[in-house]
Amino acid sequence: QQQVKQSPQSLIVQKGGISIINCAYENTAFDYFPWYQQFPGKGPALLIAIRPDVSEKKEGRFTISFNKSAKQFSLHIMDSQPGDSATYFCAAGLTGGGNKLTFGTGTQLKVEL
Amino acid sequence: GAGVSQSPSNKVTEKGKDVELRCDPISGHTALYWYRQSLGQGLEFLIYFQGNSAPDKSGLPSDRFSAERTGGSVSTLTIQRTQQEDSAVYLCASSLFAQGQPQHFGDGTRLSIL
Repeated sequence: QQQVKQSPQSLIVQKGGISIINCAYENTAFDYFPWYQQFPGKGPALLIAIRPDVSEKKEGRFTISFNKSAKQFSLHIMDSQPGDSATYFCAAGLTGGGNKLTFGTGTQLKVEL
Repeated sequence: GAGVSQSPSNKVTEKGKDVELRCDPISGHTALYWYRQSLGQGLEFLIYFQGNSAPDKSGLPSDRFSAERTGGSVSTLTIQRTQQEDSAVYLCASSLFAQGQPQHFGDGTRLSIL
């Protein structure tokens, strides 16, 4: 019940294109959904996060879409750039439970010129 | 410091030895989390601290793993009698509080058990 399923495992996008990564969760008690970006040899860096009271949140080129009824959320990267090439992790947390995060298995994104 | 600091950045040790991993959180952050990232996998929660107490230790894989936090700041994760399956990157994160605040990660300690 604590799983977060992430897809695809890897993704290749042309420069300027839209990258879309999807996640699904099972525990309806989750109330915090962050996305992290990780470069090789570095720790994950928070990109953007959403709570279930909104269906969409946008920060620059990054947008989270959230579908509470389907228990799904996704990350859209607009105008993808080679510098966006990294591994992206979705996660889900329970604010009242110390906010420990349950992570998806990650998506390796490569943006080609 | 400006960010979460972890040391050592790399640790190679022989099976059966004990290791200590250190995390220095962002100043003023009361919550501290330990996660483990195995090769090609997502992050797995181990334990979190609010202040010096650990309300949730449910992710510690066995009694060989322990952690403590002193002075509401630095935390140490100790692995006793290391096994090859303990090889992973151990990541520490901190947040202002443990109620929905963003977690900021260090760059981790890469642990290799020979």
